[in-house]
Amino acid sequence: DTGVSQNPRHKITKRGQNVTFRCDPISEHNRLYWYRQTLGQGPEFLTYFQNEAQLEKSRLLSDRFSAERPKGSFSTLEIQRTEQGDSAMYLCASSFDSSAYNEQFFGPGTRLTVL
Amino acid sequence: GNSVTQMEGPVTLSEEAFLTINCTYTATGYPSLFWYVQYPGEGLQLLLKATKADDKGSNKGFEATYRKETTSFHLEKGSVQVSDSAVYFCALTGGSYIPTFGRGTSLIVHP
Repeated sequence: DTGVSQNPRHKITKRGQNVTFRCDPISEHNRLYWYRQTLGQGPEFLTYFQNEAQLEKSRLLSDRFSAERPKGSFSTLEIQRTEQGDSAMYLCASSFDSSAYNEQFFGPGTRLTVL
Repeated sequence: GNSVTQMEGPVTLSEEAFLTINCTYTATGYPSLFWYVQYPGEGLQLLLKATKADDKGSNKGFEATYRKETTSFHLEKGSVQVSDSAVYFCALTGGSYIPTFGRGTSLIVHP
């Protein structure tokens, strides 16, 4: 399977714990996006990378959220000191090309539940 | 900033009925417009796109026309099937490369 993969698919944690999610994009894609999706809403943009450079991070929800893409391949999204309001589906997508207009390919998402 | 407004769902239709899901947008410049579909238990996938005014995107019997004068990108299909039951998201991207999605419209098709 050469699509976008995300791990884990489900994560249950207690409030105050740190969690980290991983996204493996399609190998030739140079852009990688992170989104949050809550029930009944569309994906909400969080941040994106072009290769290893994080070009937009002002939309990260708080300073508890951080993302990395150290070698321009896979990426991780970390949430520190989780809160119940962080419970959501976290989506990763990748795309290729320097244009804003290219199709994004989405992974299946990681569902986070904070107890 | 950019925004996308979709009609509220769920939309419930019988098989072979005509489908319209409305989408309007607010954006600066000349965005590209997309419809994504999310089938139960799966990730979002691109259904169709249009990159300039008056372009028509089409795929799997679905169509949408980029109408700049009305800032709309309504999704249509002449005859829906049970397998079209899913959530449909209208989206745009502009020069900032930050995509904006609508809230999604759930479609339920009965046999």
